[in-house]
Parts: sequence; C-alpha cells; structure tokens
Amino acid sequence: KNEVEQSPQNLTAQEGEFITINCSYSVGISALHWLQQHPGGGIVSLFMLSSGKKKHGRLIATINIQEKHSSLHITASHPRDSAVYICARGQGAQKLVFGQGTRLTINP
Amino acid sequence: NAGVTQTPKFRVLKTGQSMTLLCAQDMNHEYMYWYRQDPGMGLRLIHYSVGEGTTAKGEVPDGYNVSRLKKQNFLLGLESAAPSQTSVYFCASSYQDSLSGANVLTFGAGSRLTVL
Repeated sequence: KNEVEQSPQNLTAQEGEFITINCSYSVGISALHWLQQHPGGGIVSLFMLSSGKKKHGRLIATINIQEKHSSLHITASHPRDSAVYICARGQGAQKLVFGQGTRLTINP
Repeated sequence: NAGVTQTPKFRVLKTGQSMTLLCAQDMNHEYMYWYRQDPGMGLRLIHYSVGEGTTAKGEVPDGYNVSRLKKQNFLLGLESAAPSQTSVYFCASSYQDSLSGANVLTFGAGSRLTVL
C-alpha cells in the first residue's frame, strides 16, 4: 500500500466545473507538495503547504494535518488544466513520497 | 536562469550497454535527486545527494550509480542497461525552506530511456 493515496485516479469534467483532487497520507509530515505534469512534459511544483490553505490563481490547496488529508481544488476549470496532478508528502529534510497521480481531463 | 537541465531527452539502448544521464542546475541548490517514473506508479527515488561530493541510495538504487563531483551537476549512470530500466527519468534539485524545513523542488523536463 502506497503511503500516499490519491483519489480519483482519473477525472474527466467539462470546462467551467469545480474540480477537487484528494490526497491522504499515513504518517506525519513536514510538508505536503502538489505537482503538475502536462502530457509529455516536465513536472512543475504548484504548492508546498504544511497547514491551512494556499491559493494561486484558480488553484487552491488545503491541508488538514489531524486527518492527514489534503485537497487540490481548481475553480472555473479550463482545458489547459488537463494534466496529471501529483501529491507528495515531505519526509524530513530530503526524501519525498509520491502519490500515483490523478489524471485530469477537461473537455471544452 | 535555466533551472534544471537534463540531457539527453531521449535515448535508446541495447541490453548491456552503458550510458550516463546528466543533470545540471544553476540555482545553487544543495540537494539533487534522480527519480524514475513508470506507468501506474508514483515517482520513485533512485539516488540523491545532499551536497557536493556526497550521494545516497534512494528507494530503487540497484543497477544505477551516481556522482556529484560539482555542486551544479548530478550524473546518473547505467553500467549495464536492462529492459527493466526502460522508464522516464527525472532529475530535481531543491533548497530547504527555513520555516517548514521542507524542500522546495524544481524538476527537469525528463529523459525518456528505452532499453531493447
């Protein structure tokens, strides 16, 4: 069992819909990371958070430390948001443990 | 700034051949990592380095060697490639956030390796 579980694994939605991707982890963390990977592309760091909520444009990331759960929300989704979204929990100063990713497809 | 640059981007090898993937970063980051990404699996750490001249094993180190002779470069070597090493390889570098102690990561664009 992966220490970091994401749901759903695949998500298809229509343009404009509100999107939620969930991430649960089994052990305590120093930080939780959200990453974005476009098809055939590299990986971009979206957020790093250890408590509360962070917002960047239409993207919002929240974390509940007690419940060991984080969510990534996308408001007013657009086809260019189509990508794989990966969460990773920080383990001390170096190593991260990654989830398997959520493949998001936004149809026009 | 170029960030993290990986070369080559694509390579096809025959079983038993050797090759080296180069990762270069221009952000003066102390930490560097090599990951592999396979379908249906999360990124897995192969080796990492916490500074020039140091390396350490990650989750899946077998069949790979690394070197960090210069702070800006982290090399991943395959001495005798095997089909199981067909994968997409990502290099990353990071610095430690002073408030949380967590690492702020920057990834390279990836290197797709096929071993026949």
